[in-house]
Amino acid sequence: DAGVIQSPRHEVTEMGQEVTLRCKPISGHDYLFWYRQTMMRGLELLIYFNNNVPIDDSGMPEDRFSAKMPNASFSTLKIQPSEPRDSAVYFCASSPRTGFGYTFGSGTRLTVV
Amino acid sequence: QKEVEQNSGPLSVPEGAIASLNCTYSDRGSQSFFWYRQYSGKSPELIMFIYSNGDKEDGRFTAQLNKASQYVSLLIRDSQPSDSATYLCAVNPKAAGNKLTFGGGTRVLVKP
Repeated sequence: DAGVIQSPRHEVTEMGQEVTLRCKPISGHDYLFWYRQTMMRGLELLIYFNNNVPIDDSGMPEDRFSAKMPNASFSTLKIQPSEPRDSAVYFCASSPRTGFGYTFGSGTRLTVV
Repeated sequence: QKEVEQNSGPLSVPEGAIASLNCTYSDRGSQSFFWYRQYSGKSPELIMFIYSNGDKEDGRFTAQLNKASQYVSLLIRDSQPSDSATYLCAVNPKAAGNKLTFGGGTRVLVKP
């Protein structure tokens, strides 16, 4: 298996622009997670899905952030409009079931200038 | 109080020695516990998980869990320079579904 695949690896955008991050989970994994990592706040859960249904979005910072999972093999995290404070590494992870831990993708390093 | 706490380090360890990392958590009902290793600029990688009180060994790694005291630790025996990384403790709180809460990580430096 190719693991969790994220794109793009790096994204530099100007403040106010829309940013879309993409993730393909491991086949057969029922759970998909979006995390954000910064030096100040560490790893923060933004949202997670079970069988394509959003279960907990309490970590989504504000209405500028949205996430979708239209099918079992694809998810997007969108930021519109982007702000400099959104600069971080965004990780997607997937898990087969509760208690099995996660497999992380390589991450997307987002820089908003 | 943070949900999952770790000493940020750095923990400096001579090559060949034992590195001991600690993690405390606040939710007494937490069910499962994980240790991830993260090299600089890379993504977290799962190295150990433990569910029951006691020790669990996997190669040079040993995870220890004490639910009564609400701490979990990781021992790295015969530390190698390649073990230099940040180690993240993650906890699955009770009634949190499959959500993991991560500590801030402990940076480990193994010096030749």
